[in-house]
Amino acid sequence: DTEVTQTPKHLVMGMTNKKSLKCEQHMGHRAMYWYKQKAKKPPELMFVYSYEKLSINESVPSRFSPECPNSSLLNLHLHALQPEDSALYLCASSRILGLAGGRKGTDTQYFGPGTRLTVL
Amino acid sequence: AQKITQTQPGMFVQEKEAVTLDCTYDTSDPSYGLFWYKQPSSGEMIFLIYQGSYDQQNATEGRYSLNFQKARKSANLVISASQLGDSAMYFCAMGEKDTNAGKSTFGDGTTLTVKP
Repeated sequence: DTEVTQTPKHLVMGMTNKKSLKCEQHMGHRAMYWYKQKAKKPPELMFVYSYEKLSINESVPSRFSPECPNSSLLNLHLHALQPEDSALYLCASSRILGLAGGRKGTDTQYFGPGTRLTVL
Repeated sequence: AQKITQTQPGMFVQEKEAVTLDCTYDTSDPSYGLFWYKQPSSGEMIFLIYQGSYDQQNATEGRYSLNFQKARKSANLVISASQLGDSAMYFCAMGEKDTNAGKSTFGDGTTLTVKP
């Protein structure tokens, strides 16, 4: 099973609203990711969680607040967003590999279907 | 820093023919992974194929094969016997191998249109 689920599929919110995006995987992956994608552009990495701890924050504005309550769940809390934050938000997960010689690595990322966010 | 270049913004192919989508990369890391993803208009990013930098043979997955030329730093995707459902945006990506949970660097993508 290589399924990553995301809810909601679509979200419309005002600039003063607070909302959350949810991502779930049951593949036993210990790395989870949030990406933002504008139309016809590649995904841009926002956050990476490794073993439920935030390991990478790509200088994302504080109006986006990630949370990883357990190894299967990843949330993205949204507050006071701007219209330019309207985009497709993709969640992904992957295994974390222990490689020979003490090196580590990341396996293939599996993506969810995304949440299409519109900020009015 | 890693960089992925996809030079074909759009490609057309006739149904049942083969098509090659180009991808070149740049990295100073000796250990890395190369990925291809398909993104239909619905938005979901679908993993297609993976090639590790130390893999001796080119990766294949059904109708997808990866033409990996390490010295030229290219990792082209070959789709054989194109189908209408192959119409989508295709992204080449590179993943770091020496980090705990690495970043993936994506190319700008190629939009493939399969003509009946």
